[in-house]
Amino acid sequence: NAGVTQTPKFQVLKTGQSMTLQCAQDMNHNSMYWYRQDPGMGLRLIYYSASEGTTDKGEVPNGYNVSRLNKREFSLRLESAAPSQTSVYFCASSEARGGQPQHFGDGTRLSIL
Amino acid sequence: GIQVEQSPPDLILQEGANSTLRCNFSDSVNNLQWFHQNPWGQLINLFYIPSGTKQNGRLSATTVATERYSLLYISSSQTTDSGVYFCAGYADSNYQLIWGAGTKLIIKP
Repeated sequence: NAGVTQTPKFQVLKTGQSMTLQCAQDMNHNSMYWYRQDPGMGLRLIYYSASEGTTDKGEVPNGYNVSRLNKREFSLRLESAAPSQTSVYFCASSEARGGQPQHFGDGTRLSIL
Repeated sequence: GIQVEQSPPDLILQEGANSTLRCNFSDSVNNLQWFHQNPWGQLINLFYIPSGTKQNGRLSATTVATERYSLLYISSSQTTDSGVYFCAGYADSNYQLIWGAGTKLIIKP
């Protein structure tokens, strides 16, 4: 039982490059989330998907897009990476939006030069 | 406002000691969770504890929702307990997790 799986674990990009971070969960959860964590800080919500077919902006959505591909998978895309997007990105899932525990992947460490 | 506050911000203990971490949350935050972020950056679910007390081995947590606080107890600390402990609660207004700033725990051998 893998839980929440994120790929890749590490990535280095040049400014202006694009990339997609992948996330998949095997817990049959309805809701999925993308967060970023900057050094010494807590997590900030980028986007979430309350259920399959829906996505909504979180606290810091600028510069990102998301796709809820199916119930299991939720991807995060950086169209034109900027140094300010250097961070650790976490994907999470929960049975439902609000009032249910969230379970996290191991994170993707992204550096943008 | 919508707030989650943790104390202390830092804690250094010798192996074998006990510790208590506190999380205060505002009226519009509920359904607390405790997480441990280990030195490798992984976020581990410890407890989902909207109210009451739960125990898991050397760790236990208590949430008194009416008084807007939660406590995480770690007994007989081990070096592997080192890391940052976060509490987070759901905001009633938009069902998003509101995070505390964390307690950085260092257990010395």
